[in-house]
Amino acid sequence: GNSVTQMEGPVTLSEEAFLTINCTYTATGYPSLFWYVQYPGEGLQLLLKATKADDKGSNKGFEATYRKETTSFHLEKGSVQVSDSAVYFCALYSGGGADGLTFGKGTHLIIQP
Amino acid sequence: SQTIHQWPATLVQPVGSPLSLECTVEGTSNPNLYWYRQAAGRGLQLLFYSVGIGQISSEVPQNLSASRPQDRQFILSSKKLLLSDSGFYLCAWGLAGADTQYFGPGTRLTVL
Repeated sequence: GNSVTQMEGPVTLSEEAFLTINCTYTATGYPSLFWYVQYPGEGLQLLLKATKADDKGSNKGFEATYRKETTSFHLEKGSVQVSDSAVYFCALYSGGGADGLTFGKGTHLIIQP
Repeated sequence: SQTIHQWPATLVQPVGSPLSLECTVEGTSNPNLYWYRQAAGRGLQLLFYSVGIGQISSEVPQNLSASRPQDRQFILSSKKLLLSDSGFYLCAWGLAGADTQYFGPGTRLTVL
């Protein structure tokens, strides 16, 4: 079956540091890949997505590249801010119909001023 | 634009009591609808999905049920809550045939 593995953290960084959150996946076929962000007490917001190999998704300074050869979709940001503190979820979709997303367990990111 | 609403935002219920959580979507027609549960340290688990009125698929056997009485309304229910039903319940919608899902603000359920 499908699965997503990501570092759980918490990951603690100083403001303006470089961020990498690793995500690897197992899936049949060619899944779409996503990063969602969850701020405290809120639902999930779509951060970025990529639908095929070598695609790069980007939004709000975050980016991730779909690497089929390494089955990875690592999230990166060049300079984090305190406001980036949240839980980040990597997810995949491989269904042809109405199947749900398969999520990783989430990475709690803490940015210190 | 599309919006998704969930209520209540927070709920505290005793063990054995019934449950009804509601989700509605605005600004789209015939969406796919989903219920997920987020338990502490366990990520998100898909509970139910629906492709149309009255059409419900269950992903995990449990004491919860779902119904879709109207095109843009999705309800999660239980006749008797268990302690293990505590968690953060998220509703999501997506366009038919599309891969992206959009989430509501969630309901925090605590069963005591």
